[in-house]
Amino acid sequence: NAGVTQTPKFRVLKTGQSMTLLCAQDMNHEYMYWYRQDPGMGLRLIHYSVGEGTTAKGEVPDGYNVSRLKKQNFLLGLESAAPSQTSVYFCASSYSSTTGELFFGEGSRLTVL
Amino acid sequence: GENVEQHPSTLSVQEGDSAVIKCTYSDSASNYFPWYKQELGKRPQLIIDIRSNVGEKKDQRIAVTLNKTAKHFSLHITETQPEDSAVYFCAAISDGTPLVFGKGTRLSVIA
Repeated sequence: NAGVTQTPKFRVLKTGQSMTLLCAQDMNHEYMYWYRQDPGMGLRLIHYSVGEGTTAKGEVPDGYNVSRLKKQNFLLGLESAAPSQTSVYFCASSYSSTTGELFFGEGSRLTVL
Repeated sequence: GENVEQHPSTLSVQEGDSAVIKCTYSDSASNYFPWYKQELGKRPQLIIDIRSNVGEKKDQRIAVTLNKTAKHFSLHITETQPEDSAVYFCAAISDGTPLVFGKGTRLSVIA
């Protein structure tokens, strides 16, 4: 049981480049989330999904897109990376949206030069 | 939407002393309040949670209290140990909305 797996774990991009972060969970969870973590800012929600084929915006969605084509996968895309998107990105999943524990991946450190 | 404020942002205690971290929330409809611990370089992990129909919950050295009237909740760690050093996040959620986190408290336990 791997839990929540994120790939890649590290990436360096140049401004304007695009990339996709992949999140996979093997717990059959309906809900999946992408957060970014910056020093002193806590965990801020980018986008989330309440089930296969659904996505919704979180607190800081600008500059990101997501897709949930399969229940177990949640992709986060950066179409044109900017230095302000340098951050650690965490994917998480949960069984319930209201009282369920969030299970986080190990994080992906992205640097945009 | 929900807004969660967390204080202090940093906290240093001597080993064996107690540590208290406080959070306030804005949405009176919030009904679930978890606490996550993140060790350096690791992922956040749930350590304790409390629901709105309960005033206090304990699990060994950690406890959480909730005051619904004042809209604040607190994490209490007793007999702190070096392995308690981490960043702690409080969070709040109401039905139909995702979890909202506080900005975190970096706890340092000095041996």
